Amino acid sequence: GENVEQHPSTLSVQEGDSAVIKCTYSDSASNYFPWYKQELGKRPQLIIDIRSNVGEKKDQRIAVTLNKTAKHFSLHITETQPEDSAVYFCAASNDYKLSFGAGTTVTVRA
Amino acid sequence: DTAVSQTPKYLVTQMGNDKSIKCEQNLGHDTMYWYKQDSKKFLKIMFSYNNKELIINETVPNRFSPKSPDKAHLNLHINSLELGDSAVYFCASSQGGDQPQHFGDGTRLSIL
Repeated sequence: GENVEQHPSTLSVQEGDSAVIKCTYSDSASNYFPWYKQELGKRPQLIIDIRSNVGEKKDQRIAVTLNKTAKHFSLHITETQPEDSAVYFCAASNDYKLSFGAGTTVTVRA
Repeated sequence: DTAVSQTPKYLVTQMGNDKSIKCEQNLGHDTMYWYKQDSKKFLKIMFSYNNKELIINETVPNRFSPKSPDKAHLNLHINSLELGDSAVYFCASSQGGDQPQHFGDGTRLSIL
């Protein structure tokens, strides 16, 4: 089955700086890679996703890159703000089954 | 209107009891899922139904039994609850495979 590894497990950044989270996956058949943000006590919310035929996607301060050959993908958050503090999960999907990374707790220091 | 709604939000019960969690989505999606999030925040798929047909059944104790009466509803019944069942259970839905999944607010299950 799919195995998704996510690093780092915790990340502390100064407000205004960038944050980068990296994930690797094992199943070369995976072709859909979403990222979720989960605030304390809340549900996971999709913030951006990328498909295997695309190398990069951007949405305002958030960008995701995908390297299918190396089987890794990354989330970049620029100009971080206090409201970006949350747990971020990467995931990889092959058809219906979504396999999640272990999560990265991001803290933005004011 | 809440897109994916779960009830109850909190469930506190004794070991050995049987309980059910209900989920409903009003997004018109064909596929629904149950996830378990443990105390370390790890999210793991348990079951998935597509058009009322079970398509994912992970290695879950058979004390857990999902049921989908129609496309918009997915329930989870748990028999003989154990301490290790304490977790947050999330329902989700999507239009199909490899499509964005929308999560409910979760049901926090605590076993005494």
